[in-house]
Amino acid sequence: AQSVTQLGSHVSVSEGALVLLRCNYSSSVPPYLFWYVQYPNQGLQLLLKYTSAATLVKGINGFEAEFKKSETSFHLTKPSAHMSDAAEYFCAVSALGDTGRRALTFGSGTRLQVQP
Amino acid sequence: KAGVTQTPRYLIKTRGQQVTLSCSPISGHRSVSWYQQTPGQGLQFLFEYFSETQRNKGNFPGRFSGRQFSNSRSEMNVSTLELGDSALYLCASSLALGSNEQFFGPGTRLTVL
Repeated sequence: AQSVTQLGSHVSVSEGALVLLRCNYSSSVPPYLFWYVQYPNQGLQLLLKYTSAATLVKGINGFEAEFKKSETSFHLTKPSAHMSDAAEYFCAVSALGDTGRRALTFGSGTRLQVQP
Repeated sequence: KAGVTQTPRYLIKTRGQQVTLSCSPISGHRSVSWYQQTPGQGLQFLFEYFSETQRNKGNFPGRFSGRQFSNSRSEMNVSTLELGDSALYLCASSLALGSNEQFFGPGTRLTVL
């Protein structure tokens, strides 16, 4: 079984400040981990993914995330927030299930507000 | 290359009716997955189709079904609609079955009255 916990349903930062969105996962097998962003009235866009290669993963729009196995975490960061980063962010885990298939399990999401 | 398209974008139905949603994957993608997004339950996996066969299924009642055509386009059907079926239904396509990278469409917003 696999699960994802996103700490904080709402995060507010000032423009130019550090963005830190927290994600912890649970998986009985080595997981793949993802961060997606969703803008209003749109689908999900992949920001970055971890698939057992480098533990520090760089994504689009200046975001990056670090896989920490000992902490079962995959937190998303961006050094300097931009107004256009305001959106909802989802962490997801993909692991082999009982059927031998992978399926994405999403966290509950974190809404990021960027204050001018 | 065109992205994943979903039709219609918005639907309003009444309880007891049935509905069919359509998804056209990115050209060359053979796997299509469906997700339900609600404020209360978040994003939940419905099922995945590959080569016209359902290959993986989430924990939803049998009222939710789908199919995939030979051109990889997929439809999702919900019968005997309930108020709780109101949601954003997202389709995602990927190159292969269980691929670790899925591309999402804009979704179909279903409202059940």
